[in-house]
Amino acid sequence: KNQVEQSPQSLIILEGKNCTLQCNYTVSPFSNLRWYKQDTGRGPVSLTIMTFSENTKSNGRYTATLDADTKQSSLHITASQLSDSASYICVVSASDYKLSFGAGTTVTVRA
Amino acid sequence: NAGVTQTPKFQVLKTGQSMTLQCAQDMNHEYMSWYRQDPGMGLRLIHYSVGAGITDQGEVPNGYNVSRSTTEDFPLRLLSAAPSQTSVYFCASSYNSQSNQPQHFGDGTRLSIL
Repeated sequence: KNQVEQSPQSLIILEGKNCTLQCNYTVSPFSNLRWYKQDTGRGPVSLTIMTFSENTKSNGRYTATLDADTKQSSLHITASQLSDSASYICVVSASDYKLSFGAGTTVTVRA
Repeated sequence: NAGVTQTPKFQVLKTGQSMTLQCAQDMNHEYMSWYRQDPGMGLRLIHYSVGAGITDQGEVPNGYNVSRSTTEDFPLRLLSAAPSQTSVYFCASSYNSQSNQPQHFGDGTRLSIL
């Protein structure tokens, strides 16, 4: 069964600090991996999409990495801001375009 | 540009009642889908549609019906509400089901079944 595991489940960081979220998956055959940001009470919003050939993709202070060999991805948040407080969801698409969703990592940024 | 619009935002039902969750998109997307989000779990696909007049079941379709009479609208109907259907429901759309384009999500309907 295709699975997506995210860690940690939650984390708290101070404003201005960096953090890294992890995503491990067993989806096969792989098509692409997506990171979404979900603010409280809102729907998920796309941050990045990476295909098999892409190792790194950035969107402002968000940088996603992909290692397709080990089936791992990370999302790095640089110089965190209070507005980064949200849930971050890793989504993996198989070659049949079915999506597998992780349960998310909740990030809390404190002043 | 409204994107994906869901109504209502909140709803409380009694067990056995029926209701329809509305979803509309203005991006001329072919692919639309409904998910439910429960605490500690990833989003789970309920039903999806690859175009007007075409619908199919997802991972957790029992207790729900959908229809797609137009490209813009994709309503989700609860036939006879049960407490297990208490959840947050998200509608999403994308250009098509076979692209690497992101899905656009609505802001959800928070549904409580008493």
